[in-house]
Amino acid sequence: DAKTTQPPSMDCAEGRAANLPCNHSTISGNEYVYWYRQIHSQGPQYIIHGLKNNETNEMASLIITEDRKSSTLILPHATLRDTAVYYCIVRVGYGGTASKLTFGTGTRLQVTL
Amino acid sequence: NAGVMQNPRHLVRRRGQEARLRCSPMKGHSHVYWYRQLPEEGLKFMVYLQKENIIDESGMPKERFSAEFPKEGPSILRIQQVVRGDSAAYFCASSPPAGGFEAFFGQGTRLTVV
Repeated sequence: DAKTTQPPSMDCAEGRAANLPCNHSTISGNEYVYWYRQIHSQGPQYIIHGLKNNETNEMASLIITEDRKSSTLILPHATLRDTAVYYCIVRVGYGGTASKLTFGTGTRLQVTL
Repeated sequence: NAGVMQNPRHLVRRRGQEARLRCSPMKGHSHVYWYRQLPEEGLKFMVYLQKENIIDESGMPKERFSAEFPKEGPSILRIQQVVRGDSAAYFCASSPPAGGFEAFFGQGTRLTVV
C-alpha cells in the first residue's frame, strides 16, 4: 500500500470549511484514496473515497490532484461534532481485501467555537 | 438494519486469563476484519476472515491470538494467557460478500489486563 503523510493536527472554527491535506506520492494507478474518521475512541467511520475524479457526498468533498500525488478532504461547514482524528488511506479498491486498511496516525481536527 | 455489534464493550482480565471478543457483522455481510488500537496509536490490522475461512492473518501475533468466523454465529477473537501489553481497543469491521469500498466498524471492545 502507498504510504500517506498527514499533518498531525489542525484547528478549524465552527461554521468554516475544514481542509485536510494528504500526500500520497507513491500511489499506484489502481489504488483509491479513502478517508475515515474516528470520533473519540469510537469505531472508525467511512467518509468518502475516490480514484482520480473529485467526489462529493453528504458528508464531505474529496479533491484529488491531477497527478494523484495528493488530495484534500473538505468538510464544508465544520461543527463541533466533526472534532475527530481523520485518516487518509490509500488502498486497492473493491473486493474483500479493500477493507484491509492501513491506518497511519491521521490528523487530529479540533473544531472550536 | 443493525450495525456491526461487538461485545462486550469493556472486558477486564487478570494476567494469564483468556479473553474472548465477539463480533456480529452487519446483516448480509460475510467479510470480517479485526483491528487493534493501542493507546494513543492508530488502528492496526490483525486478521481478515470470511465464513469458516481465514483469508489473511498477517497482522496477528504468532502466539496466544486466534480468530474464527464459523458458519453460524459471531466471529470470535481469542486471546490466551493475556498480558498487560494486550490492553487495547479491539475493533471489528465487516463488508458485503462482493467486498466494496466501505468497511463498517463496530464500537469496539476495550480490553484491560490487570
